[in-house]
Amino acid sequence: IAGITQAPTSQILAAGRRMTLRCTQDMRHNAMYWYRQDLGLGLRLIHYSNTAGTTGKGEVPDGYSVSRANTDDFPLTLASAVPSQTSVYFCASTISAGEGHEQFFGPGTRLTVL
Amino acid sequence: GQNIDQPTEMTATEGAIVQINCTYQTSGFNGLFWYQQHAGEAPTFLSYNVLDGLEEKGRFSSFLSRSKGYSYLLLKELQMKDSASYLCAVRDSNYQLIWGAGTKLIIKP
Repeated sequence: IAGITQAPTSQILAAGRRMTLRCTQDMRHNAMYWYRQDLGLGLRLIHYSNTAGTTGKGEVPDGYSVSRANTDDFPLTLASAVPSQTSVYFCASTISAGEGHEQFFGPGTRLTVL
Repeated sequence: GQNIDQPTEMTATEGAIVQINCTYQTSGFNGLFWYQQHAGEAPTFLSYNVLDGLEEKGRFSSFLSRSKGYSYLLLKELQMKDSASYLCAVRDSNYQLIWGAGTKLIIKP
């Protein structure tokens, strides 16, 4: 792995189903983020983790949950998908949340909920 | 509330110069970032400003005025590959990034 990866690349999901989007980074970054990107809107933060073992809610957390059991992995779970969760999801990471380092982004997961 | 404003779309000619503006109102300020995003791809980092003034990096420069809540990204010697969306993001008092909706830049030959 080089950088940050996400899986799956795309997914079509029936409403009501549970889905986990995976994110893994090998840069030993402390902070990780999940964003959604919708047409005409800026990236919106769903959840974040400043360090392994801690998580926090972003701007649009409802319907989503995360865990951060170790430094590398930061999965995002949709407990019961709804059509409004159709979006492109980006995972990102940075060395440290409190300093002026850029965030590196994964390639994204395109999710369609029908 | 927190707000980042950028023009939705701009058009420029290959070889020319274009300036993309960003104004912001956020709860606190801990730096401003510019990212480039090609269609269907992830955002990639371009520049970071935390103090007033101009930061130059090759063909790209970014300017910040904290007192005016204003930044711009200047792209010189435009190339067709510069056709992309340019995202402005401000790190707020909680050290989270607040993102603008992005400016789609169209380069014409």
